[in-house]
Amino acid sequence: GQNIDQPTEMTATEGAIVQINCTYQTSGFNGLFWYQQHAGEAPTFLSYNVLDGLEEKGRFSSFLSRSKGYSYLLLKELQMKDSASYLCAVSRSNDYKLSFGAGTTVTVRA
Amino acid sequence: DAGITQSPRHKVTETGTPVTLRCHQTENHRYMYWYRQDPGHGLRLIHYSYGVKDTDKGEVSDGYSVSRSKTEDFLLTLESATSSQTSVYFCAISGGGYQETQYFGPGTRLLVL
Repeated sequence: GQNIDQPTEMTATEGAIVQINCTYQTSGFNGLFWYQQHAGEAPTFLSYNVLDGLEEKGRFSSFLSRSKGYSYLLLKELQMKDSASYLCAVSRSNDYKLSFGAGTTVTVRA
Repeated sequence: DAGITQSPRHKVTETGTPVTLRCHQTENHRYMYWYRQDPGHGLRLIHYSYGVKDTDKGEVSDGYSVSRSKTEDFLLTLESATSSQTSVYFCAISGGGYQETQYFGPGTRLLVL
């Protein structure tokens, strides 16, 4: 089976930085995805990490440590529109399915 | 945005009635998925398809069946709806191989009374 953990909720101030952690335990790990989901909408793809290290994409960065079973999504210069749920998902080799964590709801306050 | 539509977008039905949800894609992607999303559980895979007429079960498949007769359409059927199947249902697609990123449809809100 797979165990994917991420915090339920986080609150931060506009302009600040927030780091959302995701830990996982899975056999045959291949890669890790982050999705953003605004309330009442579909999840949208943010990032995909296969190799160890940091991937930067504008205000958002994602980090992966395969040996530690750990990833984080870093949101910089927070804006009100970043208030959403952030979903961590893992894929396994030769298995075209994703397993999702329960999601982290981020609230950005003025 | 990936070309994925779902129909209906909202549905209210009664316990014991059959319900079919449709997912339609215009991307010619090989893989299609049905998820349900409930508070506290995140996205859970119901069934998926890896080609026309090729389907397999996910982690919460009991009470659901699927069919894929064309590349572009993936149908989810609740043979006899129960209140526990009240949920938001999302369809997703991916190209497979190095294109394993999944792209989601807009979702269907289903209420079973």
